[in-house]
Amino acid sequence: DTGVSQNPRHKITKRGQNVTFRCDPISEHNRLYWYRQTLGQGPEFLTYFQNEAQLEKSRLLSDRFSAERPKGSFSTLEIQRTEQGDSAMYLCASSLANLNTEAFFGQGTRLTVV
Amino acid sequence: RKEVEQDPGPFNVPEGATVAFNCTYSNSASQSFFWYRQDCRKEPKLLMSVYSSGNEDGRFTAQLNRASQYISLLIRDSKLSDSATYLCVVGLSGGSYIPTFGRGTSLIVHP
Repeated sequence: DTGVSQNPRHKITKRGQNVTFRCDPISEHNRLYWYRQTLGQGPEFLTYFQNEAQLEKSRLLSDRFSAERPKGSFSTLEIQRTEQGDSAMYLCASSLANLNTEAFFGQGTRLTVV
Repeated sequence: RKEVEQDPGPFNVPEGATVAFNCTYSNSASQSFFWYRQDCRKEPKLLMSVYSSGNEDGRFTAQLNRASQYISLLIRDSKLSDSATYLCVVGLSGGSYIPTFGRGTSLIVHP
């Protein structure tokens, strides 16, 4: 399977715990995006990388959130001290660095904070 | 004002109907436009890109109106399998390129 892969698919955690999600993009894609999606809403941009550089972060990304892409390949998104409002689907997408190129999405990690 | 706005619907149509969705965007510097389809509890998948000249793919037609800053999607001869959420996506060029999504329009095609 050469698509975007995300792990885990589901995560249930207690409030206050830290969680980490992983995304493996399509291998030749140098752009990687993280989005968050809640019910009835479209994906909301969180952050993006071009190769290993994190080029932009949304205002939505509080200081409890951190993302890395250390070697320009896979990426991790960590949420510290989770809150119930963090419950959402976290989507990763990757693309080539060309205009008008589509972004391919992984199946997402569904986070439930109890 | 949101950067990308869509009517959430739902649009409830019978099989065989023609249905159209619009999407407006606020940034006149936007350079790329797409329609994605998202099935319930699945990831978004590209339906079609939207070019300045418009484009057609089978029963689906997408149009771009830069002057009025909107894109449209027309679905002819609706099928039950077209039931999904249709997401409008707009991207800027130059500097940071971030595909920005609308909230999606829900389509329900019934027998």
